[in-house]
Amino acid sequence: GAVVSQHPSWVICKSGTSVKIECRSLDFQATTMFWYRQFPKQSLMLMATSNEGSKATYEQGVEKDKFLINHASLTLSTLTVTSAHPEDSSFYICSALEDRGGQPQHFGDGTRLSIL
Amino acid sequence: AQSVTQPDIHITVSEGASLELRCNYSYGATPYLFWYVQSPGQGLQLLLKYFSGDTLVQGIKGFEAEFKRSQSSFNLRKPSVHWSDAAEYFCAVGEDDDYKLSFGAGTTVTVRA
Repeated sequence: GAVVSQHPSWVICKSGTSVKIECRSLDFQATTMFWYRQFPKQSLMLMATSNEGSKATYEQGVEKDKFLINHASLTLSTLTVTSAHPEDSSFYICSALEDRGGQPQHFGDGTRLSIL
Repeated sequence: AQSVTQPDIHITVSEGASLELRCNYSYGATPYLFWYVQSPGQGLQLLLKYFSGDTLVQGIKGFEAEFKRSQSSFNLRKPSVHWSDAAEYFCAVGEDDDYKLSFGAGTTVTVRA
């Protein structure tokens, strides 16, 4: 149980395009999801908390207009990297909290984003 | 705000030998503590967690961790390492009010034959 699916797993696109990453909780409801960014050989950096039915809460230093988050339902959150540039290339990971039980966070397998 | 320190960036261990990964945290109350493992290019898998109760917790894949309040530590151990245990290990601390996690920098474990 508690499976989180993240799609796509890998995306390559041209500079200036927008890229959408989906995070789905497959077998549980998740009012709260999280988006992380991970640079090579580094730890996870929390970007934002995604809340179903309300605006996302962004961490300090994260551009909310660059990283658009939409939590459309109790099982789906999306992260859109707008007008992506090479410096946005990274590994993006989402996680979800079960509405029943809270912790721990369940993580997706991540999305490798490469901007050319 | 809480913080997490994993003092060892990289550990190399022989297959069959024991492994201990250190984790220290800074937090005012009793935190929620977690150990996650990450294989290259993958997401994070939960090994074990501590919320309250018995300070020695058992996890998956033969791992265990001990919460020591006096030392603000939550070290991960495995008695006998397998080659498949080579991965990145992250210690994380959470709060019960907003569910955010703070991660340590991670420890890379290399297993030699």
